[in-house]
Amino acid sequence: QSALTQPASVSGSPGQSITISCTGTSSDVGGYNYVSWYQHQPGKAPKLMIYDVSKRPSGVSNRFSGSKSGNTASLTISGLQAEDEADYYCSSYTSSSTHVFGTGTKVTVL
Amino acid sequence: QVQLVQSGAEVKKPGASVKVSCKASGYTFTSYGISWVRQAPGQGLEWMGWISAYDGNTNYAQKLQGRVTMTTDTSTSTAYMELRSLRSDDTAVYYCARTVYYMDVWGKGTTVTVSS
Repeated sequence: QSALTQPASVSGSPGQSITISCTGTSSDVGGYNYVSWYQHQPGKAPKLMIYDVSKRPSGVSNRFSGSKSGNTASLTISGLQAEDEADYYCSSYTSSSTHVFGTGTKVTVL
Repeated sequence: QVQLVQSGAEVKKPGASVKVSCKASGYTFTSYGISWVRQAPGQGLEWMGWISAYDGNTNYAQKLQGRVTMTTDTSTSTAYMELRSLRSDDTAVYYCARTVYYMDVWGKGTTVTVSS
């Protein structure tokens, strides 16, 4: 199972919106509405930000939103803040009943 | 509150085995699965496998088949991950995570260092 493809880095100024893409195949992203997104800051455990493509867990800011079209999912962070600086990973359930992570995207707030 | 508490850091020699524990609290252990995820230095997150705490059913990443075993002890609400024939590229932080089709609660991680 190959990792899902994400851009290595995305940056934006405070207050701007950024979007991170996550490209897979019809056997994972395209085949199921089980895409999730995780924020990972150094020295901390990953944190669930979006699940089931577009649902937000309780306590996660509504500045974070998710969507999917075909084999590509996207995470949008609006009103970018310094505290959003982290690595972000997408993940998908697969046709093999496994999970696969994306390659990861480093978000930098300029 | 819902939490997963992992065992402490380990240092192992190449060829040895390591067993990491993950104790759950604050929820019904058998209602969820547990995934194990690792991150090697400078690398991304890698899904290693999943175990159902309800019936012990497992599903492992293909690259680890034959070297990894995941188990649970429902009497203590604890999940275990054993990795055998350790190599230097198994050096990583290992996380357990409560899993449905997503991983919503994570342990703080266990550092495993493989070095001669």
